[in-house]
Amino acid sequence: DIQMTQSPSTLSASAGDRVTITCRASQSISSWLAWYQQKPGKAPKVLIYKASVLESGVPSRFSGSGSGTEFTLTINSMQPDDFATYYCQQYNSYPRTFGQGTKVEIK
Amino acid sequence: EVQLVESGGGLVQPEGSLRLSCAASGFTFRNYELNWVRQAPGKGPEWISYISGSGSAIYYADSVKGRFTISRDNAKNSLYLQMNTLRAEDTAVYYCARTHGNFRFFDYWGQGTLVTVSS
Repeated sequence: DIQMTQSPSTLSASAGDRVTITCRASQSISSWLAWYQQKPGKAPKVLIYKASVLESGVPSRFSGSGSGTEFTLTINSMQPDDFATYYCQQYNSYPRTFGQGTKVEIK
Repeated sequence: EVQLVESGGGLVQPEGSLRLSCAASGFTFRNYELNWVRQAPGKGPEWISYISGSGSAIYYADSVKGRFTISRDNAKNSLYLQMNTLRAEDTAVYYCARTHGNFRFFDYWGQGTLVTVSS
């Protein structure tokens, strides 16, 4: 199974900050990576797929990069609505696996 | 509008069984692959099962293999998860999630249904 490791597990930020979250795969997954945002009591919502493609309707302050085993999600200029938990997920092979999550809290 | 609505969750005793359903609308159901993804309290999501559009291809996570069975009824636009021999560690919110047609990520999720396994 491919292990997905995110860092950090928690980060504190202020509105307007630039935030970067890292996701590492235990083996190459090419660009078959998605990023999801989840708020309490809600289902995850896709932000980015194929490592860097912005899902329709997602604000352009979100961006993704990377390939192979190292990936990043960047949020430029954090907005109040962005405080949430973020997960990466590989869809290169089964079983599909998720990172453990990064909770972005208000500083 | 794509909608996925899960039902069937509840409280069940260890070793018991439960059947979850996911009613789909807003898209051509038979053309899409579907999944069950669960999330234990305070944990990240865990993919547990996949089924192809025709139902001919099925995969399971090791954690549920041999105990859970995924199925679908394309005439009823419905996805199912039969869960047997339930354990405390199966306690989670269970989501159905659609696989994007081209890029294979999970593009739509239901609201989830809570399964609690406890005596």
